[in-house]
Amino acid sequence: ETGVTQTPRHLVMGMTNKKSLKCEQHLGHNAMYWYKQSAKKPLELMFVYNFKEQTENNSVPSRFSPECPNSSHLFLHLHTLQPEDSALYLCASSQERGPGLQYFGPGTRLTVT
Amino acid sequence: QKEVEQNSGPLSVPEGAIASLNCTYSDRGSQSFFWYRQYSGKSPELIMSIYSNGDKEDGRFTAQLNKASQYVSLLIRDSQPSDSATYLCAVKAGGTSYGKLTFGQGTILTVHP
Repeated sequence: ETGVTQTPRHLVMGMTNKKSLKCEQHLGHNAMYWYKQSAKKPLELMFVYNFKEQTENNSVPSRFSPECPNSSHLFLHLHTLQPEDSALYLCASSQERGPGLQYFGPGTRLTVT
Repeated sequence: QKEVEQNSGPLSVPEGAIASLNCTYSDRGSQSFFWYRQYSGKSPELIMSIYSNGDKEDGRFTAQLNKASQYVSLLIRDSQPSDSATYLCAVKAGGTSYGKLTFGQGTILTVHP
């Protein structure tokens, strides 16, 4: 595997389900990000992790719970979501220091029914 | 006030023409500037980075940076229908210790045959 991978690529879940999104980066980076992109809206930064430590949480509802066990893996645990949470969820990674080049994974298309 | 601003378009150009995409930013201390291309339903793909004033060319793409005027632009020469996508401007603010980027809302480009 190269670059940034995300699984699953598509997910349909009910409002009472619990699911997790997984992201893995193979670039040797130490910062990882979760973004949400809703239809016809700009990218929204959700969480930032540097060296496994959460450094930013942009007022994200508690039904989204991130986890970063190491610098290569990032999870987003989902529970009791709402239909308005349907969106493309993107993971990205970069070096903690440096110019800020971020590389994105392919995303998970989430539909909440 | 938006920190990174782009004209949302759509910008429509004929095949073979030059497409000009513009972006302004509010943080005068910003250090790094990026252009991403995003096809519908796909994740953003990094196409250009620029860090100092002036022009930077890569194939049919030229990025231009003017820090005094706080704008960055992307020129696409010999535009092709395959260039039709949303182009995202991203800026790394000065003083940040990690690679957090601020994204504009994106400009939709349509290249018609």
